[in-house]
Amino acid sequence: GEDVEQSLFLSVREGDSSVINCTYTDSSSTYLYWYKQEPGAGLQLLTYIFSNMDMKQDQRLTVLLNKKDKHLSLRIADTQTGDSAIYFCAESISDSWGKLQFGAGTQVVVTP
Amino acid sequence: DTGVSQDPRHKITKRGQNVTFRCDPISEHNRLYWYRQTLGQGPEFLTYFQNEAQLEKSRLLSDRFSAERPKGSFSTLEIQRTEQGDSAMYLCASSPTSTEAFFGQGTRLTVV
Repeated sequence: GEDVEQSLFLSVREGDSSVINCTYTDSSSTYLYWYKQEPGAGLQLLTYIFSNMDMKQDQRLTVLLNKKDKHLSLRIADTQTGDSAIYFCAESISDSWGKLQFGAGTQVVVTP
Repeated sequence: DTGVSQDPRHKITKRGQNVTFRCDPISEHNRLYWYRQTLGQGPEFLTYFQNEAQLEKSRLLSDRFSAERPKGSFSTLEIQRTEQGDSAMYLCASSPTSTEAFFGQGTRLTVV
């Protein structure tokens, strides 16, 4: 099974905040990432957080990390229709930054 | 465009045929990664290179798969004797020796 788990679907109204949750299992992960994938496209890196941080904010995005519970979340403020996509949580699984363990993705649908 | 480039974007092949995909990383990124993504799943790590050296291969990479990066720049991924189970999106990513991996648009393979 997946070492990184995410809920599969989230529906949110335009203008509201979205919160996408993720749990991971490797306590030695150095970095945790959020990627966005639009239909038929590759993955776009949204943000990442170092494992010794609790929170990181980047414009409309806020990442919260609870190392004790191995829980990561991504909050998108003022969600727009252009935010509709699949969001992947990923953890680094070695000292090679690009070797990542991904979750199955959360499909976010933004409704007007 | 200075992003990661993959060619072709789409490939349809008959079962049993060989296929080859190409990835051009971001210039001067010394690390290059291959991932496979099947429908409804997150990407799965296949292999990675540091410069021309292939440093790690996943157990997902059967003997029918081979990857090369002969001059430490572009990379190729070849699948021999394709099977229907090989149908997937093949993603390439590159990174410098830092925290971020940048993905290409992927090559979608359909084996009929």
